[in-house]
Amino acid sequence: GIQVEQSPPDLILQEGANSTLRCNFSDSVNNLQWFHQNPWGQLINLFYIPSGTKQNGRLSATTVATERYSLLYISSSQTTDSGVYFCAPPGAGSYQLTFGKGTKLSVIP
Amino acid sequence: KAGVTQTPRYLIKTRGQQVTLSCSPISGHRSVSWYQQTPGQGLQFLFEYFSETQRNKGNFPGRFSGRQFSNSRSEMNVSTLELGDSALYLCASSFNENSPLHFGNGTRLTVT
Repeated sequence: GIQVEQSPPDLILQEGANSTLRCNFSDSVNNLQWFHQNPWGQLINLFYIPSGTKQNGRLSATTVATERYSLLYISSSQTTDSGVYFCAPPGAGSYQLTFGKGTKLSVIP
Repeated sequence: KAGVTQTPRYLIKTRGQQVTLSCSPISGHRSVSWYQQTPGQGLQFLFEYFSETQRNKGNFPGRFSGRQFSNSRSEMNVSTLELGDSALYLCASSFNENSPLHFGNGTRLTVT
């Protein structure tokens, strides 16, 4: 099945700093989703991004399917951005997502 | 619009028992997926249902089963519980294969 690698595994930021999270995947995909899991375990969909760039407030995501990677940009980070960020391309079935191990982000005041 | 609703939020069971978890998808979503999250294995796909039919199943033993009802609500069942089944079980729904997946808050199962 598809392999998903996320980097860095851990990231500590000062509030207000910017960051870039990376997701590499082993097979070509026609879409990819980014999620944020908050400290209470809730998994929130940030982006559904087949290709190109999407923006939502301070967050934006870019997927380059031909080169098999996606990037998540967080600007002007806030303490509420803390948590684990997962990327998930589809696996064997269209509705079956394969999750990476995530990037754990800690934003300190 | 209400989100994905999972019940119960927490469960404590003993080895050998069985458990049933429930999931109500977002109104209008016909696809329901289940995932298991553990510290060691991360997020792993269990199965996916669409219009009461299981379309995909992950690499889990037969003790894990599920079903979907005509109103798209879904249940998953784990029989003969083992300590390793302790995990956060997440249900997700989607309108179709080209739309975002939305997760519920999960059911945290502890097996003692």
